[in-house]
Formats: sequence, structure tokens, C-alpha cells
Amino acid sequence: GAGVSQSPSNKVTEKGKDVELRCDPISGHTALYWYRQSLGQGLEFLIYFQGNSAPDKSGLPSDRFSAERTGGSVSTLTIQRTQQEDSAVYLCASSLGTITDTQYFGPGTRLTVL
Amino acid sequence: AQSVSQHNHHVILSEAASLELGCNYSYGGTVNLFWYVQYPGQHLQLLLKYFSGDPLVKGIKGFEAEFIKSKFSFNLRKPSVQWSDTAEYFCAVNAQSSASKIIFGSGTRLSIRP
Repeated sequence: GAGVSQSPSNKVTEKGKDVELRCDPISGHTALYWYRQSLGQGLEFLIYFQGNSAPDKSGLPSDRFSAERTGGSVSTLTIQRTQQEDSAVYLCASSLGTITDTQYFGPGTRLTVL
Repeated sequence: AQSVSQHNHHVILSEAASLELGCNYSYGGTVNLFWYVQYPGQHLQLLLKYFSGDPLVKGIKGFEAEFIKSKFSFNLRKPSVQWSDTAEYFCAVNAQSSASKIIFGSGTRLSIRP
């Protein structure tokens, strides 16, 4: 079946502009995660959605970052007033539900802020 | 705060050599542990995971990892590597008290000489 998809695959934007990154999880997966991977760094947890529960936003680095998940499926990560330090690969993953369930990752969106 | 250390940033081996990649974490409570792999041009995927039971965990493609609680370690091993094992390997930890958050190490790049 289809895996996790993300769009766009690449995004180049100017400092100060807003960007939206999209994630389509695997059908039936109730858990969805966003991570950020900066050059030479590991993955940094950003936010977690589980079903209809309130999301865990503890990893969002600033109030310029927000995410939503509509209808328990597609998720959008929004970065407002982008800064150069926001340049990174943004990865989305989904799983059946609990933390011990395997997370399936998408291909990522490479964001470059000029 | 929790952290994960992967001390080897780049490991170069010849085919058939034995492999051990180090992973240490800092958290005193109960943990779930993971190794993920990213092959060139592919998505991140799960190699193996530990959350209870036998501390020696076997994963895909002949990999295994041993959880040593007293050493806060979860090292990845393979007795004989192949050229196709060339990839980046990430260790990750979830504290069971932190339901959704997974902390990733910075990764180890493994290069296998044919």
C-alpha cells in the first residue's frame, strides 16, 4: 500500500515568508509525528498527534511553528516569518498508535530559507 | 533532560568485518529503545526496537542490539557487514514517562568498502 507522502519535496523561500508543509499519513494510522533534521544533526521531535487527543506540542521551537491535523488524517506544519535557522529537512511519520508501534517515515521536505 | 549519544560519526569498514555502533542515553527511568536506518536515497526505516523482555533484540538484515541497563547503552551489532549496509544509523530513546516524545541521536554514517 501507499506509504507516508509529503509535499513539497523541496521548498525555497525568502526570510520572513510563511511556509506550509503537508503530510499524508498511511491510511488507518492514528498517530502522526513531525520531526526536523538539520544538517549533521539527528532528528528533533516537533509535534505528535494521536487520534482526537490534544497534540503534544512540546517540541515546537517557537510560536512561529504550528501544526494541525484535519479529520485525523492529513497534517500541515506551518512556519511563520521563516528564519534562516529554519532551514532543514522536515520529516513526517505515522504509526498505528502507541509509541512502541513502528513509525513509518515519509521522504521529507527540504526547506531552504534564503 | 534526556539525551542520546552516538559517539562514532563516521565508521568505515571492509566487507565481512564485524560492526558495533555505540549508543548511550541519559535517563534513569524505564525506556523504549530503537535503531533506525536510512539507506542512500531512501526513507528512514526501523531496524529494531526494544521495550521489554530479552535485552538482546534481533532486527532485520542480521542486525541485533543489546540493552545493558547498567551502562545506559543500546549498541548495534552485526557479525559480518555487506556493502549494502552502507547507510546512516540512528539510535533513539523514548522515556516511558514521556508518552510520545522520541529523542534521536545525531547518527552514525557507515561506509562499507567492497
